[in-house]
Amino acid sequence: GENVEQHPSTLSVQEGDSAVIKCTYSDSASNYFPWYKQELGKGPQLIIDIRSNVGEKKDQRIAVTLNKTAKHFSLHITETQPEDSAVYFCAALAGANNLFFGTGTRLTVIP
Amino acid sequence: DAGVIQSPRHEVTEMGQEVTLRCKPISGHNSLFWYRQTMMRGLELLIYFNNNVPIDDSGMPEDRFSAKMPNASFSTLKIQPSEPRDSAVYFCASSTSGSNNEQFFGPGTRLTVL
Repeated sequence: GENVEQHPSTLSVQEGDSAVIKCTYSDSASNYFPWYKQELGKGPQLIIDIRSNVGEKKDQRIAVTLNKTAKHFSLHITETQPEDSAVYFCAALAGANNLFFGTGTRLTVIP
Repeated sequence: DAGVIQSPRHEVTEMGQEVTLRCKPISGHNSLFWYRQTMMRGLELLIYFNNNVPIDDSGMPEDRFSAKMPNASFSTLKIQPSEPRDSAVYFCASSTSGSNNEQFFGPGTRLTVL
């Protein structure tokens, strides 16, 4: 089955700096890669996703890159703000509906 | 739309008791997923339904766990008998059918088995 690894497990940045979270996957057939943000006491919420026919996607301060050859994808958050503090999960879709999640990155943005 | 609704939000029970978690998916969504989240294992897919039919239950840990979806607007996840190692946050998510569609998560049920 699919195996998704995520690094780092924790990340602290100063407000205004950039944050980068990296994930790798094992199943070359995976073709959809969403990123979720989970705030304390809440369920994960989709913040951005990328499909295998695209190498990069950007939405305001958030961008995701995908390297299919190397089987890795990354989340980039620029100009970080305190409200970006949360746990971020990457995921890869294997099969029709099976999302496999990374282990999460706890991001802390220091004001 | 109210989003995915889960109940209860918190459940504390004693080992051996039956636990039933409930989920109401977003109206119009025909895929429903049950996940378990723990510190040790992260987010794991337990089972998912498409048009009320269980498609993949390979993530269900053992026979003590069962899930049903009697209609398009309701699903249950039952644990009988419960054990302390079942303590976790259980999430329900729903999406429209087809691959690559966003899954919308509920707020979760925090289960503690003493």
